Amino acid sequence: SQTIHQWPATLVQPVGSPLSLECTVEGTSNPNLYWYRQAAGRGLQLLFYSVGIGQISSEVPQNLSASRPQDRQFILSSKKLLLSDSGFYLCAWARTDLNQPQHFGDGTRLSIL
Amino acid sequence: EDQVTQSPEALRLQEGESSSLNCSYTVSGLRGLFWYRQDPGKGPEFLFTLYSAGEEKEKERLKATLTKKESFLHITAPKPEDSATYLCAVLRGYGQNFVFGPGTRLSVLP
Repeated sequence: SQTIHQWPATLVQPVGSPLSLECTVEGTSNPNLYWYRQAAGRGLQLLFYSVGIGQISSEVPQNLSASRPQDRQFILSSKKLLLSDSGFYLCAWARTDLNQPQHFGDGTRLSIL
Repeated sequence: EDQVTQSPEALRLQEGESSSLNCSYTVSGLRGLFWYRQDPGKGPEFLFTLYSAGEEKEKERLKATLTKKESFLHITAPKPEDSATYLCAVLRGYGQNFVFGPGTRLSVLP
């Protein structure tokens, strides 16, 4: 069966510091991968998605970037965090067959001080 | 503009009191509608996929239905462990265009 791992679970960072969140998927190959941010009381906002190694699509211009160095690894980064980057970050994967559901990791709670 | 709304925002039920959650969408080129359950501090857990109007899916106390403009998640005789936020999402157009609703926060009291 497929599993998705996301870490760390919680992170407290000062304004202006760098960020690296990692997500890995097991039990499948060549998945579609996604990064979302979830604000309290609001829906999930798609940040980035990837359909293959080195292929990244950005949905919202912002202070963040994403990379996919390996087939089942997806990384969310920032060079300098802003207060507005605080939130709950979720990684997800989906099969590449048409119209498949996404499956989520347990998220990272990021607090910027 | 493509939009997904959910109602009610919050719902409190007594154990055993059946009810329905609504997900309304205005999107072009619907390719699928998905229901998820999310517990506090956790990622959404996939429940159902619906692809066409008239389709129904069931799992334990939950039943999801789809029309051309909305989807319902029916909860029959809920238990306290059904308490969670329920999210719906639509996949529309081309590419990976998933749009999530804001969710319905369900509380089932013993």
